[in-house]
Amino acid sequence: DQQVKQNSPSLSVQEGRISILNCDYTNSMFDYFLWYKKYPAEGPTFLISISSIKDKNEDGRFTVFLNKSAKHLSLHIVPSQPGDSAVYFCAARGRAGGTSYGKLTFGQGTILTVHP
Amino acid sequence: EPEVTQTPSHQVTQMGQEVILRCVPISNHLYFYWYRQILGQKVEFLVSFYNNEISEKSEIFDDQFSVERPDGSNFTLKIRSTKLEDSAMYFCASRRGFSSYEQYFGPGTRLTVT
Repeated sequence: DQQVKQNSPSLSVQEGRISILNCDYTNSMFDYFLWYKKYPAEGPTFLISISSIKDKNEDGRFTVFLNKSAKHLSLHIVPSQPGDSAVYFCAARGRAGGTSYGKLTFGQGTILTVHP
Repeated sequence: EPEVTQTPSHQVTQMGQEVILRCVPISNHLYFYWYRQILGQKVEFLVSFYNNEISEKSEIFDDQFSVERPDGSNFTLKIRSTKLEDSAMYFCASRRGFSSYEQYFGPGTRLTVT
């Protein structure tokens, strides 16, 4: 199942710089996208989300951009901090009434390392 | 802040044994989910549960799996006869209501089948 893909397994960034994490999807029935952060031995923690009717959502240091025509979204973290080091998952939710309604489909994750 | 809790944190069992993984979702949430992550792989959807019944399940969720909400707080996943390939992290998640899309995850149960 490759409906949601994160092509970069890892990203290394200097503290204070911008981190950009990318995600591509293939299913046009997805109507909502979420980013989760995961530390080892913990469950995914919800970070930020965006509806398919928007192209940008911002929450503090985190901004998610959605390009529907390219079926691409990205998470920008600025400025990056060492505490942001974790695995970041992109997830997508199906449109109500569609076969994937409610469930989340996850990407493989990107390991972000922020160096002091 | 309310959170999803799961017990046990780690369960070791022998192949063919039954296991029950337990979750306490956030108290005012209405939708409940189980996901799993096999080591090195993606987080995969198993089942969703609403209004005391399964609303959706994946191909993974075969007759060996069942879910139950035995009371107003617990949500359980039962695997009747475990296989080696059931070894994974199992995550419970909950969602507040129809118009809220964010799912909140518990810390997971690591299931090891030997």
